[in-house]
Amino acid sequence: ETGVTQTPRHLVMGMTNKKSLKCEQHLGHNAMYWYKQSAKKPLELMFVYNFKEQTENNSVPSRFSPECPNSSHLFLHLHTLQPEDSALYLCASSQDRTSGGYRETQYFGPGTRLLVL
Amino acid sequence: RKEVEQDPGPFNVPEGATVAFNCTYSNSASQSFFWYRQDCRKEPKLLMSVYSSGNEDGRFTAQLNRASQYISLLIRDSKLSDSATYLCVVRLGRGSNYQLIWGAGTKLIIKP
Repeated sequence: ETGVTQTPRHLVMGMTNKKSLKCEQHLGHNAMYWYKQSAKKPLELMFVYNFKEQTENNSVPSRFSPECPNSSHLFLHLHTLQPEDSALYLCASSQDRTSGGYRETQYFGPGTRLLVL
Repeated sequence: RKEVEQDPGPFNVPEGATVAFNCTYSNSASQSFFWYRQDCRKEPKLLMSVYSSGNEDGRFTAQLNRASQYISLLIRDSKLSDSATYLCVVRLGRGSNYQLIWGAGTKLIIKP
């Protein structure tokens, strides 16, 4: 398997709820990512962390809040979401060679399928 | 125009046939290219990188055409297990400031 785990696998929440998605990688990688995948749309990169530092935030609404306490764990905190936020949220990791900023192959977790009612 | 464009399909192909599909990209500065495979309700997994000279891995052949700005994936002697969505990925930029651009995928269904 990929060595990247995500919990929960499925989540249903109301628009006023607060929940968190968790990702853990067991591959010794130094970069982690959150992606959103909606039906028939390309993967949308949301956040990137290199060595626990957030290096990218692709204009994601503030109702999504990432947290990276160490290089193996990544969280996505959710609050006051909208129905259009329903999607598959994928976590990925890779080994980023800092000298050239080269990001190797991305390994994905199984995703959290989120439904916002 | 989308940055990375793929025919969504589905491509319905009989088992044993050869199938090919393309992915076009809009930015001529694109550096690297990849094919990922995503099974239904599963995560994407790297299938193969695409090298300038073209490369082959078993029944799979990837080609890059920089002049026309597309990459292709050819699958020979297709198996039922090849049924999946194939995602094209393009890497833009160098150094620490670069990004991966994903296509929406081409769905392939292999029929017995």
